[in-house]
Amino acid sequence: GAGVSQSPRYKVAKRGQDVALRCDPISGHVSLFWYQQALGQGPEFLTYFQNEAQLDKSGLPSDRFFAERPEGSVSTLKIQRTQQEDSAVYLCASSLVLVSGRTQETQYFGPGTRLLVL
Amino acid sequence: GIQVEQSPPDLILQEGANSTLRCNFSDSVNNLQWFHQNPWGQLINLFYIPSGTKQNGRLSATTVATERYSLLYISSSQTTDSGVYFCAVGRYNFNKFYFGSGTKLNVKP
Repeated sequence: GAGVSQSPRYKVAKRGQDVALRCDPISGHVSLFWYQQALGQGPEFLTYFQNEAQLDKSGLPSDRFFAERPEGSVSTLKIQRTQQEDSAVYLCASSLVLVSGRTQETQYFGPGTRLLVL
Repeated sequence: GIQVEQSPPDLILQEGANSTLRCNFSDSVNNLQWFHQNPWGQLINLFYIPSGTKQNGRLSATTVATERYSLLYISSSQTTDSGVYFCAVGRYNFNKFYFGSGTKLNVKP
């Protein structure tokens, strides 16, 4: 597609409910990133995939957060037993990987999923 | 991680005015991007600029990597420039961006 797409755009969950957020990266982009953006703050890194391999999950705030990218394309961020502090915008980004193996620096972001936990 | 500080945090301009936004970072970086987050939350790439100077229309950016800062210039501002401007930095061996807290720009007609 022309850009990174995310769904749903908005999600309201009751505390304790599980949610799943989807990201479709730009076609051909090997690297995929998830970020969390709290109100009034800059995005914060959650996790990174290169193809289907999750190479960095250091930003996941707790073991309730889980991400996968089983076929190296679409990714899903799952949050179990949601808490009010999980309310935020969840952003997905993708980028190319250079021939050298390094991730191409420019990250392209999707529109985000706004999660509100009541 | 790398600390990123942006200034000013808030900026109000009259349409037609010029402005300079600043991004300071705490360590050497290979990657630096400026983004504009529009009122709908979409992050729009403005510049990839780990060093040097680039211009795109009314916008230009300069990064002095040795002194660990970058500047974004907006000339002849328009109401559509309103939103939050983020600076994000990274390094090759860290596959992530570190974002500042942003500069919230409000351009009044």
